Amino acid sequence: DAGVTQSPTHLIKTRGQHVTLRCSPISGHKSVSWYQQVLGQGPQFIFQYYEKEERGRGNFPDRFSARQFPNYSSELNVNALLLGDSALYLCASSFVSGQQRTDTQYFGPGTRLTVL
Amino acid sequence: AQSVAQPEDQVNVAEGNPLTVKCTYSVSGNPYLFWYVQYPNRGLQFLLKYITGDNLVKGSYGFEAEFNKSQTSFHLKKPSALVSDSALYFCAVRGGNTGGFKTIFGAGTRLFVKA
Repeated sequence: DAGVTQSPTHLIKTRGQHVTLRCSPISGHKSVSWYQQVLGQGPQFIFQYYEKEERGRGNFPDRFSARQFPNYSSELNVNALLLGDSALYLCASSFVSGQQRTDTQYFGPGTRLTVL
Repeated sequence: AQSVAQPEDQVNVAEGNPLTVKCTYSVSGNPYLFWYVQYPNRGLQFLLKYITGDNLVKGSYGFEAEFNKSQTSFHLKKPSALVSDSALYFCAVRGGNTGGFKTIFGAGTRLFVKA
């Protein structure tokens, strides 16, 4: 089975631009979460989506938004890019059981975003 | 507030020796604890998790972790290290009183296994 896939692999943007990152979950997984990993740090939670609805949000500004599609794939959008948005953006998918807090998240390889 | 601490930036161990990567946590309610490994230019790979029950959890690639509630720790261990275990290891926690998948990760510990 294919794992979580993300596109593009790498992306270079300039300050003020907008970016869209894409994620396809593992087949059968209905929840997608997004994380930002700045170099030298652990991943920081941005969003969780389940059944096309936002179920959780981290401490990120409104420039960050996301959505989930009927096929459970997801997009992360970042507007008005800042230099500090340069990071590895990770997508994780989960099969949702009755107790979400115990479900395992499986991560994609990430999209490396560089803002110049 | 939930938090995770990995007190060692780096752990060095000789191949064949046992390894320990330390993790302590702070959450409200019952903790759900996870270990992930990250190889260069790759995403995170799941190793193991503690939900409830036996304090010793066994995971992938011969790794195990011991949950200690009184010390609020969840240290990752392996009896005999391999050079191929060299990577970045992350401990993560979800608090029992919060919903969904909001997961707090530690800053990571880099493991070097020398041949």
